[in-house]
Amino acid sequence: AAGVIQSPRHLIKEKRETATLKCYPIPRHDTVYWYQQGPGQDPQFLISFYEKMQSDKGSIPDRFSAQQFSDYHSELNMSSLELGDSALYFCASSLAPPTGNWAQYFGPGTRLLVL
Amino acid sequence: AQKVTQAQTEISVVEKEDVTLDCVYETRDTTYYLFWYKQPPSGELVFLIRRNSFDEQNEISGRYSWNFQKSTSSFNFTITASQVVDSAVYFCALSAIKTNSGYALNFGKGTSLLVTP
Repeated sequence: AAGVIQSPRHLIKEKRETATLKCYPIPRHDTVYWYQQGPGQDPQFLISFYEKMQSDKGSIPDRFSAQQFSDYHSELNMSSLELGDSALYFCASSLAPPTGNWAQYFGPGTRLLVL
Repeated sequence: AQKVTQAQTEISVVEKEDVTLDCVYETRDTTYYLFWYKQPPSGELVFLIRRNSFDEQNEISGRYSWNFQKSTSSFNFTITASQVVDSAVYFCALSAIKTNSGYALNFGKGTSLLVTP
């Protein structure tokens, strides 16, 4: 079965640079979530989109923005990168009822290192 | 506000021992979901279980079992006859139940389990 695809899997950037992370949800899934997991930390919810509209917002810095496109893939744009942005970024997708049950399936993550 | 507490930061057991990972939660929501995820050293998050707040029935899946007690706001996870491959960080998570927009997961800090031969 197809899973959530994230690209790139690894990314190295310099401070103050920008980065774009991509997420391709499981086919037919209509909701995408972004989480950030710092070293030795638990995942923190950043933002989610349902049917291409922002549905919930967590602890996402103002330097970050995200959107969900017409094909349901999502991109997380990160600007003015800081050392503290170094983390594992997870994308998850789910399918709304009645077809689905909101169960979230996680991608393998993108490991971002800011130097 | 929601909060998940996993008081055990690290646990070390010898293979074949049983081990219980504790999870205590706080929420003002009357309905909610509880989850357990496994994160092996490779880094991916592996879904283990989701439980509705109105379903307190305990569940067993192979060597895994979960004990949900609403009265004590706990959702503990037991691995029976642990194996080396069980070594991972285990996260307990909580979410509200929303009708039309999915739900954000609130994770605990995780418990690192090391199973040695």
